Amino acid sequence: AQSVTQLGSHVSVSEGALVLLRCNYSSSVPPYLFWYVQYPNQGLQLLLKYTSAATLVKGINGFEAEFKKSETSFHLTKPSAHMSDAAEYFCAVTLDNFGNEKLTFGTGTRLTIIP
Amino acid sequence: GAVVSQHPSWVICKSGTSVKIECRSLDFQATTMFWYRQFPKQSLMLMATSNEGSKATYEQGVEKDKFLINHASLTLSTLTVTSAHPEDSSFYICSVGRRERNEQFFGPGTRLTVL
Repeated sequence: AQSVTQLGSHVSVSEGALVLLRCNYSSSVPPYLFWYVQYPNQGLQLLLKYTSAATLVKGINGFEAEFKKSETSFHLTKPSAHMSDAAEYFCAVTLDNFGNEKLTFGTGTRLTIIP
Repeated sequence: GAVVSQHPSWVICKSGTSVKIECRSLDFQATTMFWYRQFPKQSLMLMATSNEGSKATYEQGVEKDKFLINHASLTLSTLTVTSAHPEDSSFYICSVGRRERNEQFFGPGTRLTVL
């Protein structure tokens, strides 16, 4: 079975500083990995996804993530934090070329931006 | 991309009553929809996979007789929480899978509060 682990349930960074949210995965086969963002009382919005086409994935709002097989990691980064980035972030994994396969989510990381 | 709606966005009910939540795929015919539950400050947990024209597939530990899922058409799936109790209070989110996009699209969620 596949799983993801998000290190750090809460991360605080200053506005303009680097954002780094960590995600490690466990999978018996090559996984498909996703980062989602959730604002309060809302559904999830896809930030980016890894589907084996390229190890460095660029997403919306200036976020990117790098798939590192040797480290089984898929960390999310953004060079300069903005106040609007404050939200909950979820890493997720699935095994199939997707659409009809369930997602397994990490426990989430709450990002706080300090003015 | 696909747009997914949920109705209602929030509902408060008395213990013992049943509540129906609708999930609609507005611009895509979805053979598969997913229902997730999210407790406060926690991650999303898959409850069941809803398949059009057939019975839903429930995750381990989810009571199928309590959480009734009906995928009546290619654009509508409903989740009925029967005989709701306070412990059923949660944020319920549906999603639609699109195989060709290798992605799930999430609804805005329904917050259920059982008094």
